[in-house]
Amino acid sequence: DAKTTQPPSMDCAEGRAANLPCNHSTISGNEYVYWYRQIHSQGPQYIIHGLKNNETNEMASLIITEDRKSSTLILPHATLRDTAVYYCIVYSGTYKYIFGTGTRLKVLA
Amino acid sequence: SQTIHQWPATLVQPVGSPLSLECTVEGTSNPNLYWYRQAAGRGLQLLFYSVGIGQISSEVPQNLSASRPQDRQFILSSKKLLLSDSGFYLCAWSKGGDSPLHFGNGTRLTVT
Repeated sequence: DAKTTQPPSMDCAEGRAANLPCNHSTISGNEYVYWYRQIHSQGPQYIIHGLKNNETNEMASLIITEDRKSSTLILPHATLRDTAVYYCIVYSGTYKYIFGTGTRLKVLA
Repeated sequence: SQTIHQWPATLVQPVGSPLSLECTVEGTSNPNLYWYRQAAGRGLQLLFYSVGIGQISSEVPQNLSASRPQDRQFILSSKKLLLSDSGFYLCAWSKGGDSPLHFGNGTRLTVT
């Protein structure tokens, strides 16, 4: 599975959009991009995933570049409860979801 | 709807003692099942996964083993715990394909 690279930490003001980047330059054509978040001492929570097209759900939007080498998770109006570690992973359907170290997002009041 | 149950929530065990953590999934059949471990302040490490009853794939050679005696039951075991086995153990399931992983609430294990 392709490796992902994320910044270790980011801050975002409450009410503003949080844009979390992820690089996956070695991604293959059949590999999906997934985003999860983990609030302290809880299991990771699925947010969104996509293959080629941009995706949106009630939690977030996922923007995937045309060459698919990077993506951005957008939380449109961050709240204090969005403070968490966000993981971007690439999955090829081989059963193995490999997590990196993620981005620690801190939403500031 | 599907739910995943993991217990216990916390566990303190002495070095050398055995371990058994249980995970069950409700509301679906033939799920893919996973055990992950997260050391303090670290990312998630895939330990085992299973695509069917009795089928276990190990990702990291270690002091732990996994079993899947029933379709929706996944058990993580150890015969003799080490200090390095301390961590946050997470069970997860998926339906395969591009369906996402869904995690339980985890078990925090402290080996003393």
